[in-house]
Formats: sequence, C-alpha cells, structure tokens
Amino acid sequence: AQSVTQLDSQVPVFEEAPVELRCNYSSSVSVYLFWYVQYPNQGLQLLLKYLSGSTLVKGINGFEAEFNKSQTSFHLRKPSVHISDTAEYFCAVEYGNKLVFGAGTILRVKS
Amino acid sequence: NAGVTQTPKFQVLKTGQSMTLQCAQDMNHEYMSWYRQDPGMGLRLIHYSVGAGITDQGEVPNGYNVSRSTTEDFPLRLLSAAPSQTSVYFCASSYQQGADTEAFFGQGTRLTVV
Repeated sequence: AQSVTQLDSQVPVFEEAPVELRCNYSSSVSVYLFWYVQYPNQGLQLLLKYLSGSTLVKGINGFEAEFNKSQTSFHLRKPSVHISDTAEYFCAVEYGNKLVFGAGTILRVKS
Repeated sequence: NAGVTQTPKFQVLKTGQSMTLQCAQDMNHEYMSWYRQDPGMGLRLIHYSVGAGITDQGEVPNGYNVSRSTTEDFPLRLLSAAPSQTSVYFCASSYQQGADTEAFFGQGTRLTVV
C-alpha cells in the first residue's frame, strides 16, 4: 500500500528565512506527487505537482519541490517565507485516481 | 465557475441521527472522492467514484454510504452518527487527461456529533 510520511509536524521559521518541508513516500511504481496548502478554515489548494519530466517543479507563491526517485522524497522549499505562508501543508501521492496524504506540516512564520 | 460545492458548511448531530453531506461539481470530472480530516492524520479516503453508477470503498468506509447517480453529484450519507465521526469532511473531483491529473477540493463540512 502507498504511504506518505511528512517528517515534521510543525516548522517554525522567521519571516524572510528559507524553509524546507520534508516528504517521503513509499512506492515501487511510478507515482504522481502533489503538495497542497490549507489555510485556516479553508479547503485544500494545489501548490504544485510532479507528473514526469524535470525533477524540479515550480509552483505557486514561490514554492518549489524536488522529486528524488532514489530517496523516494519530494521535499518542498521556499527561499524566503512571508507571514502569509502560515498554513498547513500536505504532501500526497496519487494512484488509481485516489490520493494518499501525509499527516501534514504546520508552517508557522514569525515576524 | 463554482468548482466543487459542499453543503452544509457546519452541522451538529446527535448520536444515532442520520444525515447527508452534499457535494456537487461543475467541471464534468469523472472522478469524485470523499475524505475526512482529523488532527495529525491528514486526509483519509472514505469512498470514491470513477463515474456515474460506480463507487468503491476507500480506507475508512465504515458508517458511510455513497451513490453516484449523475456525473455532477456525489452525496455522502451517515447512517447512524457516532462521536467518532466528528471530523471535517472534504469532497474532491479530479480529471485524468493522458499523463495530467489534478484534484479540486470543496471548502469542507465541519461535523460535530454529540
């Protein structure tokens, strides 16, 4: 069965600092990978997705992620965070049109 | 373009009551899913559908029923509510076009069972 592990439940960071949210997945086959963001009391919004091709994927709001097949990782990065990036971030793997989510990482940006 | 619409946004039920969470999409997507979100557990798949008339169970289906009579609608029924079903429920619809795929989520229904 597919599984997704987000290695940090919370990540505190100061405004304008870089951040990395870590995600590892288990799969023996090719996968589609996603990062979603959830702002308080809202639904999930797609940040970026990896389907195939270049392993560096750029998304919205200045986020990017790198697919590493050998390490089965898909870490999310942003070089300089803003207060408005405070939210919960979910990594997900798709198979058979179903998504398997990680437990989520709460990013807290402090001024 | 409304996307995925869920109703109601909030609901309080008494143990043993039944209710239906509504989900509608206007993107003509074949695939629709229901997830529940609980703190520290991410989103877990309850039921999904690959097209009208076709549904299947996900990871946590017990206590829930679904049907898909049209492409647009995918209601989730709680048969006899239990406190363990207190959660936030999300409906999603998705497309698959060649190698491209993406899921779109509703705003969620926050359900409390007392």
